[in-house]
Amino acid sequence: EAEVAQSPRYKITEKSQAVAFWCDPISGHATLYWYRQILGQGPELLVQFQDESVVDDSQLPKDRFSAERLKGVDSTLKIQPAELGDSAMYLCASSLGGKRDGETQYFGPGTRLLVL
Amino acid sequence: GENVEQHPSTLSVQEGDSAVIKCTYSDSASNYFPWYKQELGKGPQLIIDIRSNVGEKKDQRIAVTLNKTAKHFSLHITETQPEDSAVYFCAASKGTGGFKTIFGAGTRLFVKA
Repeated sequence: EAEVAQSPRYKITEKSQAVAFWCDPISGHATLYWYRQILGQGPELLVQFQDESVVDDSQLPKDRFSAERLKGVDSTLKIQPAELGDSAMYLCASSLGGKRDGETQYFGPGTRLLVL
Repeated sequence: GENVEQHPSTLSVQEGDSAVIKCTYSDSASNYFPWYKQELGKGPQLIIDIRSNVGEKKDQRIAVTLNKTAKHFSLHITETQPEDSAVYFCAASKGTGGFKTIFGAGTRLFVKA
């Protein structure tokens, strides 16, 4: 069964350092999402791509976060500089990206970030 | 914007009993309502979903109901088993391609053997 791949699974960094997370969606999925999940809360959308284009980044803290999906396949989420409040699980998800209302999103295992 | 509230935050049941989790949403334009199960150390996995043109959907021991007028939807798990123990999230979305999906805060379900 096809899965969304994410790496690394765990990352510990010091504040003010740069970190990067990688996501490889299910093959053929046009839509890719990055979510942040704080412990005890639901996932919160950071950025959504349709192919290589950003369709929603309204909740992305653009002063320190950036995301790209250059070839419309895999994606990288970067934080620079990291702050203590960035400690969370970063989830990547993908969906087919069709025209119907509502699509199943398939999530990867996540990257757990700890900022010291 | 859309707001999704989920209750209870924690639910403990005996094996074999039923479990019910309830969610309310604020945006009447929301038209797709998935439920996800998240086990420790893993990403959320879809367990069932319902669209706004349907009032109820069932898949073996899991069922979801939707009341568009009241803007609430519920997850029902019957004959619970220890492996049902996990965190469950409801979500609401509108638009095509899953655009703008808002998740509830989650319910931690414990099934006691």
